[in-house]
Amino acid sequence: GAVVSQHPSRVICKSGTSVKIECRSLDFQATTMFWYRQFPKKSLMLMATSNEGSKATYEQGVEKDKFLINHASLTLSTLTVTSAHPEDSSFYICSARSLTVDTSPLHFGNGTRLTVT
Amino acid sequence: GQNIDQPTEMTATEGAIVQINCTYQTSGFNGLFWYQQHAGEAPTFLSYNVLDGLEEKGRFSSFLSRSKGYSYLLLKELQMKDSASYLCAVSDSNYQLIWGAGTKLIIKP
Repeated sequence: GAVVSQHPSRVICKSGTSVKIECRSLDFQATTMFWYRQFPKKSLMLMATSNEGSKATYEQGVEKDKFLINHASLTLSTLTVTSAHPEDSSFYICSARSLTVDTSPLHFGNGTRLTVT
Repeated sequence: GQNIDQPTEMTATEGAIVQINCTYQTSGFNGLFWYQQHAGEAPTFLSYNVLDGLEEKGRFSSFLSRSKGYSYLLLKELQMKDSASYLCAVSDSNYQLIWGAGTKLIIKP
């Protein structure tokens, strides 16, 4: 089946530093990837849609200069949390569709738990 | 606005059957998904319904009524490993996924 790999699974960083999270589609090409954020006991919140070769589309309220997204190839998207603060601590999950059909299910990476101290 | 409602938490007994309901109000409809999410892990796909009726897949079944804006996920022969959160998500007119907050299912021996 379609596999999405996300790295790292956990990261602890100091306030003010930047953290990069990678999302790779291992056995399919993904022109579009999605980045979500999830707080404890809360639903997934879509942050942005990452499009290969073009700028990401950010959801309302998400700071594009703080959450930098790069989708340089059909199998890799990265999310960089810049100048991280404790309130950025959360569970970040990427996903992609293995098919270009909009109604096909999303395949999720295993998520990255970010803790900012 | 767009809204997905599902119970926050449910408890069931091992070996029993449980039904998790989901109601939705969205701008357009292009299908409804159910995902399972274990604590600390990413969601995994369970089912997709776009037409009315019941879709059965092993111990799990999912039902949809578009006229009522309603779906349920039915889990049979519950096992301890089924303890997880179950997320309902609707694809709207723009194929954007609108997520419910999830239902935490607790299985007791």
